[in-house]
Amino acid sequence: SQKIEQNSEALNIQEGKTATLTCNYTNYSPAYLQWYRQDPGRGPVFLLLIRENEKEKRKERLKVTFDTTLKQSLFHITASQPADSATYLCALDSLVDTGRRALTFGSGTRLQVQP
Amino acid sequence: DGGITQSPKYLFRKEGQNVTLSCEQNLNHDAMYWYRQDPGQGLRLIYYSQIVNDFQKGDIAEGYSVSREKKESFPLTVTSAQKNPTAFYLCASSAGEVEQFFGPGTRLTVL
Repeated sequence: SQKIEQNSEALNIQEGKTATLTCNYTNYSPAYLQWYRQDPGRGPVFLLLIRENEKEKRKERLKVTFDTTLKQSLFHITASQPADSATYLCALDSLVDTGRRALTFGSGTRLQVQP
Repeated sequence: DGGITQSPKYLFRKEGQNVTLSCEQNLNHDAMYWYRQDPGQGLRLIYYSQIVNDFQKGDIAEGYSVSREKKESFPLTVTSAQKNPTAFYLCASSAGEVEQFFGPGTRLTVL
């Protein structure tokens, strides 16, 4: 069966360190993978998209890698700040029954950056 | 000020009642989506619409219904057939198979 796995345990790090979050998947062949940030009680906000033919994508302090052989994406936040504390969701596109593609979300990993 | 809005923010429903959640976008996006989120879980797709007057069931459509009569509006009705409707409901829109823009969500509680 298809599965997206993100670490359900919260990740606690010190301010200034690099946070690394993992997204593993099985039985998907995504054309792209996305990362979103979600704050408590609010809707997710898009951060980055990486396509299957891209190894790495950067945006300011954010970096995403995508290894289709390992079926894994890593999401890095460098020089982390307390304001980065949130839940981070990965999402894969997948083929749905009707022949159309849709996003499937992981359950997210909560990041807590300590000052 | 472009964006996607949902109303109400909080909604309380008695057992056996149907309720309708509103979702409006002024981003001129063709595609719109409804997700449900339960505590500690990811988003699960309820319904989606790629174009006006067309919509498709997602993974958990049972007990829900939608309409897409206008490009900017995609209301979701939670019917009495939905056995466990208490959840956080999120609406999103996109310009295609790219990033999705989410609304602020509606928290539905069954009394």
